[in-house]
Amino acid sequence: GEKVEQHESTLSVREGDSAVINCTYTDTASSYFPWYKQEAGKGLHFVIDIRSNVDRKQSQRLIVLLDKKAKRFSLHITATQPEDSAIYFCAASKGGSAKLIFGEGTKLTVSS
Amino acid sequence: NAGVIQTPRHKVTGKGQEATLWCEPISGHSAVFWYRQTIVQGLEFLTYFRNQAPIDDSGMPKERFSAQMPNQSHSTLKIQSTQPQDSAVYLCASSLEGGRVEQYFGPGTRLTVL
Repeated sequence: GEKVEQHESTLSVREGDSAVINCTYTDTASSYFPWYKQEAGKGLHFVIDIRSNVDRKQSQRLIVLLDKKAKRFSLHITATQPEDSAIYFCAASKGGSAKLIFGEGTKLTVSS
Repeated sequence: NAGVIQTPRHKVTGKGQEATLWCEPISGHSAVFWYRQTIVQGLEFLTYFRNQAPIDDSGMPKERFSAQMPNQSHSTLKIQSTQPQDSAVYLCASSLEGGRVEQYFGPGTRLTVL
C-alpha cells in the first residue's frame, strides 16, 4: 500500500537557523501533500500544503518543495523560533481519495 | 468557530467493554474523517464520510469497529469488546469538501483499555 516516510525522527536547531524536514512517498498517483504540527498534548494543526501542479510554495517562514520525479517533498522553516518546537508530520493523498497517509513525525527542537 | 469537537477527551474502559467516541465537525464542512494515533503505528486513517455517506472505510479493523454519521452535526466511532491494543488517541477531522483540501483536526479522545 501507499507509504510516506519521514527521514528525520528528531531535529535540533538554534534559534534563527533554518530547519529542513524531508519526506518520500511511494504512490506516483499522490497529488496532495499537507504538513501538520502537533504540540505536546494537542491535536494536529495544519501548517502548509502543496499540490502536484506546482513544485514550490511559500507562506511566510515556511517553504514546501516537491520533487515528483524523486517522489520527495520537504518542509523548510526559516528563521526558526522557539515556538516552532513541535512534532511535524508530512502526509500525502491521491486524486480521488481524501484520506491522508502520514509519515512517522519529526520532533523539532529550537533552542534559544 | 469552535473547531472540531470531540467527546469525551479521555475514556478508560475495561477489556471487553464497549466504547463510543463522538465527533462534532465544523459547521458547514461536508467531510468527516477518523484517524488513530499510537506510538507504535503512528497516525493511521480509519474511515471517512462525505455528506454523511460512508466513502472509504479501508482503515477500519473489520471486526469490532464501526462508524456512523446520522446527521451533519455529528459522527460516532464505536468499538465493541475493546482490547488493550485498541488503546490510542482517536482523532476526528473535518474539511469543507472530501478532496485535496485542509483537514481540521479535533483534540482527540484518548482511549485506554485496561
